[in-house]
Amino acid sequence: AQTVTQSQPEMSVQEAETVTLSCTYDTSESDYYLFWYKQPPSRQMILVIRQEAYKQQNATENRFSVNFQKAAKSFSLKISDSQLGDAAMYFCAYRSDRGSARQLTFGSGTQLTVLP
Amino acid sequence: ETGVTQTPRHLVMGMTNKKSLKCEQHLGHNAMYWYKQSAKKPLELMFVYSLEERVENNSVPSRFSPECPNSSHLFLHLHTLQPEDSALYLCASSQDWDRVVETQYFGPGTRLLVL
Repeated sequence: AQTVTQSQPEMSVQEAETVTLSCTYDTSESDYYLFWYKQPPSRQMILVIRQEAYKQQNATENRFSVNFQKAAKSFSLKISDSQLGDAAMYFCAYRSDRGSARQLTFGSGTQLTVLP
Repeated sequence: ETGVTQTPRHLVMGMTNKKSLKCEQHLGHNAMYWYKQSAKKPLELMFVYSLEERVENNSVPSRFSPECPNSSHLFLHLHTLQPEDSALYLCASSQDWDRVVETQYFGPGTRLLVL
C-alpha cells in the first residue's frame, strides 16, 4: 500500500523568509502524481501545487516550488518570501491510476506558523 | 454560491441521535467524496461517488450511510455514532473520478462532536 509521511508536525518561519516542508512517500509505481494541499484556519483545503512523476522539471507556482527527487521518493515544498497568509496546515498527497492508489493518500500534515 | 458548500458547519449529537450532513458543489463536477479528518491523523477517504454511483467504500462502519441523489449533492447520514467518530468531515468534488491528475475541491467541513 502507498504511504505518505510528513515528519514535521509543526514548522515556523519568519515573515519574508523561506521555509521547506518535507514529504516522503512509498510506492512501487513509476507513474503517479504528487500534490501539496493547504488548509488554512477557515478549514477549506485548496491545492497549492502538483507534480507529475514522469516530469523531471520541478513544478513552480509563484512563491511555491517543489523539490521532487523520484529516486529518493521525496517531494518537499518550498515557500519563498513567506507571508502571514501562508499560515496553515499543509498536506502532501499521492495518487496513481492503479487500484486502491487511485484515491488520494494524504500525509498527516505539517502545521506552518508564520511569525511577524 | 460557488465552490463546495457544507452544512451544518458544526454539529453536536448524542449517540442515539440521527443526523445528516449535506454537501453541495456548484462546479459541474461528476465525482464527489467524503473524507474524515481526525486530529494528528491523515485524511481518511470514506466514500466516492461518480455520476451518482458509489465507486469506493473504504470499510466504513454502517452507522455512516452516504447518499448521492444527483451529481451536485452528497449526503452523509449518521446514526448511533460513537464518541470516536468525532472529527471534521470534509466533502470534496472533482471533474472526474478516474483521471489521476484531477484536482479535488474541498468544502469547509462539518465539525462533528459525538457525546
